Amino acid sequence: AQSVTQPDIHITVSEGASLELRCNYSYGATPYLFWYVQSPGQGLQLLLKYFSGDTLVQGIKGFEAEFKRSQSSFNLRKPSVHWSDAAEYFCAVVTLNFGNEKLTFGTGTRLTIIP
Amino acid sequence: KAGVTQTPRYLIKTRGQQVTLSCSPISGHRSVSWYQQTPGQGLQFLFEYFSETQRNKGNFPGRFSGRQFSNSRSEMNVSTLELGDSALYLCASSLEAGTVSYEQYFGPGTRLTVT
Repeated sequence: AQSVTQPDIHITVSEGASLELRCNYSYGATPYLFWYVQSPGQGLQLLLKYFSGDTLVQGIKGFEAEFKRSQSSFNLRKPSVHWSDAAEYFCAVVTLNFGNEKLTFGTGTRLTIIP
Repeated sequence: KAGVTQTPRYLIKTRGQQVTLSCSPISGHRSVSWYQQTPGQGLQFLFEYFSETQRNKGNFPGRFSGRQFSNSRSEMNVSTLELGDSALYLCASSLEAGTVSYEQYFGPGTRLTVT
């Protein structure tokens, strides 16, 4: 079955430090991959997406992600985190459901920023 | 342009009752999807409506239903509520159907508590 795995439930980083959130997918063909962020009390906001082409994808808020087919990964990175980046981050893949597309989400990684 | 709005934001119901949640998509958006978010199961796709027709459905029992009106507003209904239905219900709208082609914009959600 098509799925995504986020191995890290909770990550803590210092403000100004670099960040990498892991995402592994399981899919036979080229996957359509997304990263979303959810702040407390908010809905989800799309950070970036990968469909094809350049494997390094730039998103909003200074985030980027790299698609690595050989490792079945789509890790999210940011060179220097800000306190406002504290949130929950979800990786998602488009899966086919009886011929129709739907988003299948990972379990999320909660990011805590310490001063 | 106003974002996706969901009403009510918070709701407390008793086991066995039914509940209706409402979602108003971004103006001009014709597709509305619903998701359930719980700590145990994460984010799960409920269904998608496009042009007043259910286009796609997740793996939820028949107690969960929805509809879409001609102005693209959508409602979801849960009958015979169970304790396990306590969750954050998120609505997302997009211009057209098709997750790959059209970005989904999420509302803030309705927090349903079943006692």
